Parts: sequence; structure tokens; C-alpha cells
Amino acid sequence: DAGVTQSPTHLIKTRGQQVTLRCSPKSGHDTVSWYQQALGQGPQFIFQYYEEEERQRGNFPDRFSGHQFPNYSSELNVNALLLGDSALYLCASSLYTEETQYFGPGTRLLVL
Amino acid sequence: QQQVKQSPQSLIVQKGGIPIINCAYENTAFDYFPWYQQFPGKGPALLIAIRPDVSEKKEGRFTISFNKSAKQFSLHIMDSQPGDSATYFCAASGTDSWGKFQFGAGTQVVVTP
Repeated sequence: DAGVTQSPTHLIKTRGQQVTLRCSPKSGHDTVSWYQQALGQGPQFIFQYYEEEERQRGNFPDRFSGHQFPNYSSELNVNALLLGDSALYLCASSLYTEETQYFGPGTRLLVL
Repeated sequence: QQQVKQSPQSLIVQKGGIPIINCAYENTAFDYFPWYQQFPGKGPALLIAIRPDVSEKKEGRFTISFNKSAKQFSLHIMDSQPGDSATYFCAASGTDSWGKFQFGAGTQVVVTP
């Protein structure tokens, strides 16, 4: 049974560019949440998707957007990248009716 | 504004010792408190979780103690091993923020042989 998978594992972009990160949830899960983890800090909640809609959002600007597909997989898009967007981006999957979240390995984004 | 405060920032114990990590929260709507373990370059892995109606929960060598009146909870790692060396995060979520986890800043634990 595959766990949460994310792609790519690493990514290097320059300021002003746009990036798309991808996540496939654990088998049987219907909800995907995205977190940003800066070096040496705890994960910060970006948003959560269920039934292809954004259900919850953290304190992140509109440059951060997402999408969920009918197969429950999800994308995180970040526009107009800033140096401060450099971080590990984590995807977590769950059942919408349960609180337990399982994290993927993350995508390491470096903005130069 | 950090809704979950975690301490200490780092901890060094000898093999067999019991590292203790503490977390405190303010939001009384929080009702689910998981702990995660993270190794370098990896995503956080769920260790154990507790709800406020229970004062203690054990899973293997990991124990959570919960003090609802003080709004504090802690993780104890019994008989710690060098393989337990990792960063540990507490988190919280509640009925007013379903699925929106608030994480602590993390505690780096080093277990020496």
C-alpha cells in the first residue's frame, strides 16, 4: 500500500518564476493538506482540499493556490516566487471525517 | 502568533534515558494533539496522538501526558535509543479548525550511545 507520494523531490527556481508541486494521497484517503516547513521550524498550514474545493486556508498570500483532482491527487502552485518561499513543502493526506494526517516526504524548493 | 509553544529547542540524553518534550497551547477549542517524528530530509511521521478526555496514553516506548487544566501536554520517550535521534513536533487541531494543524517549533533530540 503506497503512502503519500510527492513530486518532484527537489526543485530550483529563480525569483519571479512559478512552480507546481504534486501530491498523491495515501490509498483510501480523500483529503489533502499542504504545509510549508522553513529550515529549523515546524510546518505551517497552507490550505486543505476536499471534494476538489479549498476547505481551510492558513495565513498565506494568494500567490499560493491549489487544486484537487477527481482521483484526490493535488497540486500546489506558487506564483511570483520570492527568496522567502525556499522551504520544504509537505503534503499530508487524511480522511475528511478523521483528524489523523499522514505526511509525504516533501518537495525541497530553493528559490535563487 | 504561535498557537502551540514547544520546549526545549534541543535535548541530549544518554542511551536508556527519558527525554521529555513539553508543549503548551492557548486555544481551548483544540481537541486533538498528535506528536510527529522527523528525520533529516524526510517528512514527519505520526508517533502517537491524544485527546483531552485522556490524561495519559502509551504506545510502545512513547507516552503522552496531558494536563487539560494547564493546557499542557508532553512526550516521554522511554528507554531511548540512538535511533530515536530526530526532531519531534507537537501539534494541535480543533473543532473550529478541522484538519488545520498548528505545529510547535520542534525539539531536536540526540541520544548518545
